[in-house]
Amino acid sequence: AAGVIQSPRHLIKEKRETATLKCYPIPRHDTVYWYQQGPGQDPQFLISFYEKMQSDKGSIPDRFSAQQFSDYHSELNMSSLELGDSALYFCASSLGPPGNTEAFFGQGTRLTVV
Amino acid sequence: SQQGEEDPQALSIQEGENATMNCSYKTSIDNLQWYRQNSGRGLVHLILIRSNEREKHSGRLRVTLDTSKKSSSLLITASRAADTASYFCATGDMEYGNKLVFGAGTILRVKS
Repeated sequence: AAGVIQSPRHLIKEKRETATLKCYPIPRHDTVYWYQQGPGQDPQFLISFYEKMQSDKGSIPDRFSAQQFSDYHSELNMSSLELGDSALYFCASSLGPPGNTEAFFGQGTRLTVV
Repeated sequence: SQQGEEDPQALSIQEGENATMNCSYKTSIDNLQWYRQNSGRGLVHLILIRSNEREKHSGRLRVTLDTSKKSSSLLITASRAADTASYFCATGDMEYGNKLVFGAGTILRVKS
């Protein structure tokens, strides 16, 4: 069965550079979440989309933005990268409104800022 | 943590023993979900329990929910070495908008 696809799997960027992370949800899933997970930390909610509209925002820095496109894939854009942005970034998708049903996670993008 | 705490933070048991993990949360919820994460990998959904349910089973997993105490427990029976992972609870958050909010997690180590 198709799963959530994230790309790239690994990304190394320098400080002040820009990064774009992509997420392809499971077909027919209409909710996408983005999470940031630092080493030994729990996943921190960044932002969610439902039916291609932003549903909720969490602790997402102003330097980050995200959108969901007409084909339901989503992109997380990160600018002016800082060392502290180094983390695993997960995308998840679910069927129905956010928080209502089980979420399926991608394998994550490991971002290293040097 | 954005939502609450898990107890214990780390648990080490022998294969065949039962493992119990607890989760507390702060807000009103529609549902509570448990996820498992192997080191550096994506989270895998284990079980979802709705706010109007008190107990749910799935294979070797048993989840309870006490909305009056804002707490849940996950019991893994007859544990196996392959159960070694981090376990997180997450709540379908009604009070603060439409999102899935994770607790701090329990690191489970099952020794063979």
